[in-house]
Amino acid sequence: DADVTQTPRNRITKTGKRIMLECSQTKGHDRMYWYRQDPGLGLRLIYYSFDVKDINKGEISDGYSVSRQAQAKFSLSLESAIPNQTALYFCATSDRGGRAYYNEQFFGPGTRLTVL
Amino acid sequence: AQSVTQLDSQVPVFEEAPVELRCNYSSSVSVYLFWYVQYPNQGLQLLLKYLSGSTLVKGINGFEAEFNKSQTSFHLRKPSVHISDTAEYFCAVDDTGGFKTIFGAGTRLFVKA
Repeated sequence: DADVTQTPRNRITKTGKRIMLECSQTKGHDRMYWYRQDPGLGLRLIYYSFDVKDINKGEISDGYSVSRQAQAKFSLSLESAIPNQTALYFCATSDRGGRAYYNEQFFGPGTRLTVL
Repeated sequence: AQSVTQLDSQVPVFEEAPVELRCNYSSSVSVYLFWYVQYPNQGLQLLLKYLSGSTLVKGINGFEAEFNKSQTSFHLRKPSVHISDTAEYFCAVDDTGGFKTIFGAGTRLFVKA
């Protein structure tokens, strides 16, 4: 079984709709991240969390919100989706601060979101 | 702020030829450096990492990278590529304090028969 899972894998929605992307991990890592990937722009950080009580904005948090329901679960919400939020979204975990002293990221398979 | 520049957005190469994917970073402090690979329709996975010690780092699938502190570079190389190496490759650096990772824009490697 995959260590980091994301649901749904694909989603098509309309402008103005609320969307939630979910991420679960079985790696036991405290740190979790949400990124979006756009062609030519690489990965940009949306939000990150170091534990269930710690949520931090990344470089492109506007229009997004997150919830860390448990150590293993980190959800990303688009409150009112717009077309320029069409992208590939990745969840990742890291054991930095735990057993690791460096920030190796472990990625889920991604969610392809299309906003019409 | 730290940044990562991947100098080539696309690199076409014939099978069994050597390849180099270039990466430069900016940082005034010691860093940890990574290369990740993303195969089609998959998430990213770690290819190799530089933490300290030997400047030549070996990774999976025959890839290696060389850390050059004076040139602030971390170029990825493979002496002979295969069709299956077709993927997007991302260079990344741990920011100061290790709170988050800064990714480059990616280099798409196309291996042609």
